[in-house]
Amino acid sequence: SYEVTQPPSVSVSPGQTAKIFCSGDAFPNQYGYWYQQKPGQAPILVIYKDNKRPSGIPERFSGSSSGTTLTLTISGVQAEDEADYYCQSTDGSGSYRAVFGGGTKLTVL
Amino acid sequence: QVHLVESGGGLVKSGGSLRLSCAASGFTFSTYDMSWIRQAPGKGLEWVSYINSRGNIQHYADSVKGRFTTSRDNARNSMDLQMNSLTAEDTAVYYCARDPSYDYVDHWGQGTLVTVSS
Repeated sequence: SYEVTQPPSVSVSPGQTAKIFCSGDAFPNQYGYWYQQKPGQAPILVIYKDNKRPSGIPERFSGSSSGTTLTLTISGVQAEDEADYYCQSTDGSGSYRAVFGGGTKLTVL
Repeated sequence: QVHLVESGGGLVKSGGSLRLSCAASGFTFSTYDMSWIRQAPGKGLEWVSYINSRGNIQHYADSVKGRFTTSRDNARNSMDLQMNSLTAEDTAVYYCARDPSYDYVDHWGQGTLVTVSS
């Protein structure tokens, strides 16, 4: 079955740039998505269709895709950005099969 | 403002059944596809099921296929998830979510916890 892979953890100091990578064979042909989840809360969408930002999401969140790698970049990280981040895609089979990565815990030092 | 509220979660014995509901408001429910997504305690997100806006097309994760059924009532702005033959592996918070374009979700409910005791 199709999988997308992301690192379990990333650490960054406040004000620095955090990059979270997600790997998946379908990314050259399928869009990627990023969700942020804080403890005890439901996830929220922070990036859709590789690099689009929903309304209300701060400009410091950006996304990109190259080859089989999807990247979430958080510029000028703030303490409030500490959360779990999940990438998501579909397998491109035409039948709906949303696939989530295992999640990356972003720690702001 | 999009608002999704899940209900129906609780404690059920292994092999039992449970029906979850999702009440939607703040948008034209009948024009959006919807999904159920779950999260086991301390684990990541797992997509469970999808239903199109008209309710005539459903897709399921292999882990629940044949046991779970999703349906919707556009007149009542609601979606259900009927869960049968539950096992401990189905223990999770279940989220309903709005799907704007067949491959992702843009709004989530707060979730309802399902606990299956073995």
